[in-house]
Amino acid sequence: EAQVTQNPRYLITVTGKKLTVTCSQNMNHEYMSWYRQDPGLGLRQIYYSMNVEVTDKGDVPEGYKVSRKEKRNFPLILESPSPNQTSLYFCASSLKWGLAGRYEQYFGPGTRLTVT
Amino acid sequence: DQQVKQNSPSLSVQEGRISILNCDYTNSMFDYFLWYKKYPAEGPTFLISISSIKDKNEDGRFTVFLNKSAKHLSLHIVPSQPGDSAVYFCAAKSSGNTPLVFGKGTRLSVIA
Repeated sequence: EAQVTQNPRYLITVTGKKLTVTCSQNMNHEYMSWYRQDPGLGLRQIYYSMNVEVTDKGDVPEGYKVSRKEKRNFPLILESPSPNQTSLYFCASSLKWGLAGRYEQYFGPGTRLTVT
Repeated sequence: DQQVKQNSPSLSVQEGRISILNCDYTNSMFDYFLWYKKYPAEGPTFLISISSIKDKNEDGRFTVFLNKSAKHLSLHIVPSQPGDSAVYFCAAKSSGNTPLVFGKGTRLSVIA
């Protein structure tokens, strides 16, 4: 089954304790992206990756890191989480970004993170 | 500055009637528009899209209309079903390697 998986689905942690949210897709997609969803703010892009070893900042990258060592995986790293990073996080992938008319993104189920 | 606006946070419609969800945008460079549906505890799923060279795209019960001069698009669901109850996000992008810009979403409730 074609899908984007995220782990963990739920995480409660404390300020400053490094964490990683994993994201994996099995569709051989080149493009992957991380979003956060906050009440009243919709979906905002954190980081994206056009392909292996190619990553770039989205709208709200502060406090986050990513890596893309393999095509299927795109982990989101919070080196020193703070309470303002409490949010619902979504990973998404797309076949090939910029390919005209093929801008559908496939989203993972989400990771609800609480930082106390 | 919010480039994609969904001014109605919520909408309630009776089963069998038409649901109309609206979206306005400010960036005239946007040339591709998408609608996503999101159920609780799930990720958004792609619903329907439209290119700026069209003014209408239809897929079953779902139709998206684009009015470029007004920078406005709408999603029509006919007939509405209880399973359509979800949050709907409008998204837009300009050509090339540019990101999707999402609206804040509209929560649709279809009442049986």
